[in-house]
Amino acid sequence: EAQVTQNPRYLITVTGKKLTVTCSQNMNHEYMSWYRQDPGLGLRQIYYSMNVEVTDKGDVPEGYKVSRKEKRNFPLILESPSPNQTSLYFCASSLTSAVTYEQYFGPGTRLTVT
Amino acid sequence: EDKVVQSPLSLVVHEGDTVTLNCSYEVTNFRSLLWYKQEKKAPTFLFMLTSSGIEKKSGRLSSILDKKELFSILNITATQTGDSAVYLCAVVQGTYKYIFGTGTRLKVLA
Repeated sequence: EAQVTQNPRYLITVTGKKLTVTCSQNMNHEYMSWYRQDPGLGLRQIYYSMNVEVTDKGDVPEGYKVSRKEKRNFPLILESPSPNQTSLYFCASSLTSAVTYEQYFGPGTRLTVT
Repeated sequence: EDKVVQSPLSLVVHEGDTVTLNCSYEVTNFRSLLWYKQEKKAPTFLFMLTSSGIEKKSGRLSSILDKKELFSILNITATQTGDSAVYLCAVVQGTYKYIFGTGTRLKVLA
């Protein structure tokens, strides 16, 4: 089954404790992206990657890191989480082609930083 | 600053009504506009619009893009309670950034 998977699905952590949220896709998509979703603010792009070893900042990259060492994986790293990073996070993937820009979303990771 | 604005923010209708959701944008190097439906989980894809004036249809849903006036509309006819969701509009920029609007929350009453 074609899908994007994220782990963990739920995470409660404390300020300053480094964490990684994993994202993996099995559709051989070049493009992968991370979003955060907050009430009243919609989906905001954190980072995106056009292909292996190519990453770019989205609109809200501060406090996050990413890496793209393999095509299928795109982990999101919070080196020193703070309470304002409490949010619902989505990973997404797509082809990079003018034929379609449709993104496939993972199930989401709900992160709480206390 | 690039932005995507959706209106209305929320909408309550009765089953059988027709609704029109709006999405306007100011984005550099426009590539495409997408509509998504989000229930209590991840967004699901509805339409991709790249050219002006070409209506996309899927059942009771349809959408059209106006690249001159910089907006798109999503129409839902004969609404059902299963249409209750947040509808998201996103624009893909030239650099492949995706800019989402804040969404329109639709509630359909039986």
